[in-house]
Amino acid sequence: DAEITQSPRHKITETGRQVTLACHQTWNHNNMFWYRQDLGHGLRLIHYSYGVQDTNKGEVSDGYSVSRSNTEDLPLTLESAASSQTSVYFCASSDQTGNTIYFGEGSWLTVV
Amino acid sequence: TQLLEQSPQFLSIQEGENLTVYCNSSSVFSSLQWYRQEPGEGPVLLVTVVTGGEVKKLKRLTFQFGDARKDSSLHITAAQPGDTGLYLCAVHPLSGNTPLVFGKGTRLSVIA
Repeated sequence: DAEITQSPRHKITETGRQVTLACHQTWNHNNMFWYRQDLGHGLRLIHYSYGVQDTNKGEVSDGYSVSRSNTEDLPLTLESAASSQTSVYFCASSDQTGNTIYFGEGSWLTVV
Repeated sequence: TQLLEQSPQFLSIQEGENLTVYCNSSSVFSSLQWYRQEPGEGPVLLVTVVTGGEVKKLKRLTFQFGDARKDSSLHITAAQPGDTGLYLCAVHPLSGNTPLVFGKGTRLSVIA
């Protein structure tokens, strides 16, 4: 069965360190997204991609970057982790219609 | 300003009770989606409503899209503990293949 997986599922890192969260999907979807979820804010879009070599900024992109070198993967990098980036991060993918979006199980990141 | 306002934020009810949660906006949308998110997991799509006034049923869950396509409701009949979770509504704010924007959600707890 096709799926979307995130790793690591849990990570604790120190302020200032670079962190990369991996996202891999086997749906062969063109569209991939990264959201963060925080109490009081809901799900907010960080970055998204509509295909290989395409990346776009979302609502809360400062301090984050993504790259899309193939269809299956969209890694999210925190260049210099800050305590404000402590959150749960969700990767998602959809086909070109965008009608059905599939989410990964989330990556819990704590920045200390 | 939040594009989608969900109410109530929190709801705790006894097993067997009925409930309705709401998703409201001042904007018109071509479609609206409802997701359920269980603790420790990513959101899962429940339904997409497209036509103004449309009603869709999923077992004990009834979804309605407002006539003006600005709002939606989710009604649960005879709630069960398995219905516990975060209910999110989401829309594509612009026409075409644009990323989903989510409401902050209604957190439902059904007590046995």
